[in-house]
Amino acid sequence: QVHLVESGGGVVQPGGSLRLSCVASRFPFSGYGMHWVRQAPGKGLEWVAFIGFDVNNKEYADSVKGRFTISRDNSKNTLFLQMNSLRPEDTAVYYCAKAGTTWDYFDSWGQGTLVTVSS
Amino acid sequence: SSELTQPPSVSVSPGQTARITCSADALSKHFAYWYQQKPGQAPLLIIFKDSERPSGIPERFSGSSSGTTATLTISGVQAEDEADYYCQSADSSETDHVTFGGGTKLTVL
Repeated sequence: QVHLVESGGGVVQPGGSLRLSCVASRFPFSGYGMHWVRQAPGKGLEWVAFIGFDVNNKEYADSVKGRFTISRDNSKNTLFLQMNSLRPEDTAVYYCAKAGTTWDYFDSWGQGTLVTVSS
Repeated sequence: SSELTQPPSVSVSPGQTARITCSADALSKHFAYWYQQKPGQAPLLIIFKDSERPSGIPERFSGSSSGTTATLTISGVQAEDEADYYCQSADSSETDHVTFGGGTKLTVL
């Protein structure tokens, strides 16, 4: 059973930075693409970013492009999301999710970490 | 980015069949995926590639897709099926992007 555990969330002021981590276990992490998906309070799901298994393929939603950076350390089975220039509208629960047999869906999710951007 | 359109809410009585639709031009070219999310929990994949069911997902959940509309069908709805359901697909206007529908709240009366 895939296990994904996010951490790093918290309260940050507008314009600030935060780095999220997601530790993966119980599957061959280096062989799968990974995503970040977020959910604002009381709202729907929003895809944030994707990184391929070989780290060279990265994609971002327009809403975060140029501010967020997705990365991974396959030696530590860990996914990261560096978030800079944070805005109040970035307030959300951030989930890491494992890509399925193709890159374009999510077959396992972590429990999420809450990021609150507020002064 | 393209948008996937879902009804905001669907209500059914226990034992009845619930159908939740998802519409977008992208669905004529890309697979539909469905997720169930209960309050305070992470989403759970229940249908992939239009109609495939992951192991452990009850047979009462099924999916289909035709043209620009995908449909999630829950046969013999149970009280425990009350949840938010999201469809998802690849974005037809942006390569290597994905998009979600707005979500449908299923209420079991």
